[in-house]
Amino acid sequence: AQSVTQLGSHVSVSEGALVLLRCNYSSSVPPYLFWYVQYPNQGLQLLLKYTSAATLVKGINGFEAEFKKSETSFHLTKPSAHMSDAAEYFCAVSSSGTYKYIFGTGTRLKVLA
Amino acid sequence: KAGVTQTPRYLIKTRGQQVTLSCSPISGHRSVSWYQQTPGQGLQFLFEYFSETQRNKGNFPGRFSGRQFSNSRSEMNVSTLELGDSALYLCASSPGDKGSTDTQYFGPGTRLTVL
Repeated sequence: AQSVTQLGSHVSVSEGALVLLRCNYSSSVPPYLFWYVQYPNQGLQLLLKYTSAATLVKGINGFEAEFKKSETSFHLTKPSAHMSDAAEYFCAVSSSGTYKYIFGTGTRLKVLA
Repeated sequence: KAGVTQTPRYLIKTRGQQVTLSCSPISGHRSVSWYQQTPGQGLQFLFEYFSETQRNKGNFPGRFSGRQFSNSRSEMNVSTLELGDSALYLCASSPGDKGSTDTQYFGPGTRLTVL
């Protein structure tokens, strides 16, 4: 069975500092991985996705993620945090052949002025 | 292209009632998935419809049902509401024909409160 684990339910960074949100996956087949962001009282917005074309994936709003098979990780990073990045971030894996996403428990990012 | 729309955005119901939520997918998308989001359980998959057929189902009781129409619009129904059904219900649409690489685009959700 496939799964994702997000380490750290809450992460705080200073404005301008590096953002690192962790996601580890478990999959017996090549995984397809996604990062979504959710702002208060809104749905999920796709940030980026990994579908095996390239291990370093660039997304919207300056975010990127690197797929590391040896570490079974797909961590999300942004070089410089902005106040507008404060939100909840979800890592998800596409369950093989089912059109179903399995989500991590989410990481709430707080950006300090 | 217009995004995924969900109606209504907010609903308040009492225990024992039933409720119907609606989702209109992105034009051209044939797959609609439903998820329940709660603080305790996170995001959980309910079911997925493609071309008017339920193609995948999560582990929810039979009180949760859905359907899809020929124009790909989908409805979700919850009967005999319980307090624990209070949640944000998210609908997502995708092309539905790209297997595991299919990307799901989410609507704003319907916030259901059961009193």
